[in-house]
Amino acid sequence: NAGVTQTPKFRVLKTGQSMTLLCAQDMNHEYMYWYRQDPGMGLRLIHYSVGEGTTAKGEVPDGYNVSRLKKQNFLLGLESAAPSQTSVYFCASSFDRGTEAFFGQGTRLTVV
Amino acid sequence: DAKTTQPNSMESNEEEPVHLPCNHSTISGTDYIHWYRQLPSQGPEYVIHGLTSNVNNRMASLAIAEDRKSSTLILHRATLRDAAVYYCSPQGGSARQLTFGSGTQLTVLP
Repeated sequence: NAGVTQTPKFRVLKTGQSMTLLCAQDMNHEYMYWYRQDPGMGLRLIHYSVGEGTTAKGEVPDGYNVSRLKKQNFLLGLESAAPSQTSVYFCASSFDRGTEAFFGQGTRLTVV
Repeated sequence: DAKTTQPNSMESNEEEPVHLPCNHSTISGTDYIHWYRQLPSQGPEYVIHGLTSNVNNRMASLAIAEDRKSSTLILHRATLRDAAVYYCSPQGGSARQLTFGSGTQLTVLP
């Protein structure tokens, strides 16, 4: 069991470039989440999904898009990266609301 | 979604009990109360959760107030490895999102 796997682990982007972060889980979880964590701060929810084919906005969705075409994968896209999106991104999944969430190890993204 | 209030930081001596409080006065009746912790340079990890009754597991105990407006995470014997940021988060029932407040930075002194 791999749990929650995030790809890539590190990335440096130039302002205006685009990229996609991949989150994969092998636990057959319905719920998946994307967070960002800035230095010294807590986690802020970007987008989440409560099942295959569904997505919803979280607390800070601007500048990001997501897709959940397959139940096991949740993709986070940055169409035009900005320095303000420099952060550590965490993905998580859970079977249902009210159950334990499992987190990936994070993706450290720097936008220069 | 329910909002949470936690102290910014707390200190404990090694091998002593630690009580980490959380206020969630706007919680709905069907929201579970989750606790997660985040060690330095790692993703958050689940600690414990409960609905109404107090809960125990191998990591900690969770004491939930009778009115459910507050809860306390109890580490029975703090170790240096328990130094982390601890977050409480209501979720479940009406709250589909899993959100985190600013958390409590726990420092464990040798």
